[in-house]
Amino acid sequence: QKEVEQNSGPLSVPEGAIASLNCTYSDRGSQSFFWYRQYSGKSPELIMSIYSNGDKEDGRFTAQLNKASQYVSLLIRDSQPSDSATYLCAGNTGNQFYFGTGTSLTVIP
Amino acid sequence: DAGITQSPRYKITETGRQVTLMCHQTWSHSYMFWYRQDLGHGLRLIYYSAAADITDKGEVPDGYVVSRSKTENFPLTLESATRSQTSVYFCASRIYGTVGTDTQYFGPGTRLTVL
Repeated sequence: QKEVEQNSGPLSVPEGAIASLNCTYSDRGSQSFFWYRQYSGKSPELIMSIYSNGDKEDGRFTAQLNKASQYVSLLIRDSQPSDSATYLCAGNTGNQFYFGTGTSLTVIP
Repeated sequence: DAGITQSPRYKITETGRQVTLMCHQTWSHSYMFWYRQDLGHGLRLIYYSAAADITDKGEVPDGYVVSRSKTENFPLTLESATRSQTSVYFCASRIYGTVGTDTQYFGPGTRLTVL
């Protein structure tokens, strides 16, 4: 069974700090990885996608992929209270997408 | 407005009844997906469709039926609802071109309660 596991948290960081979210996956055939943000009662929205080993930066967000270790992470720099949400890690193999259970992040003002 | 819409947003039904959840997208994306989200399980893929008249099972397809006669619509039917199908259901469409453009857009969700 293909799985994506996340540190379940909850994670609390002070405003302005770096939040680090981690994810491991079981299927070495997974091609792409995604980080979604989900506010309570809302639908997931895509923050970052990453396909190659290494880092990918987009504004305050940096995704990191290490295929040898089957590890994906998301760093949020200068965390803001508006970043408080659940973050979902996902991988895909072809048309099948597998999601982790999410990590709840609270940014404390 | 462009995007994905789902209806109804909230539904209460009884065990054994047939329920259909509707999903409509205005982008003409080829791929569409149905997920359910439950505490402790995250999002799980029920069915997906690569194009009109092409559907395939996901991780948890039992008890569900899908059809896709038109690109823009992807209804999900619970043939005989059970309490274990109480969940939040999300429809999504996918834009997929070159590497780096794979993105799923989610609808607002349908909260289904089976009594």
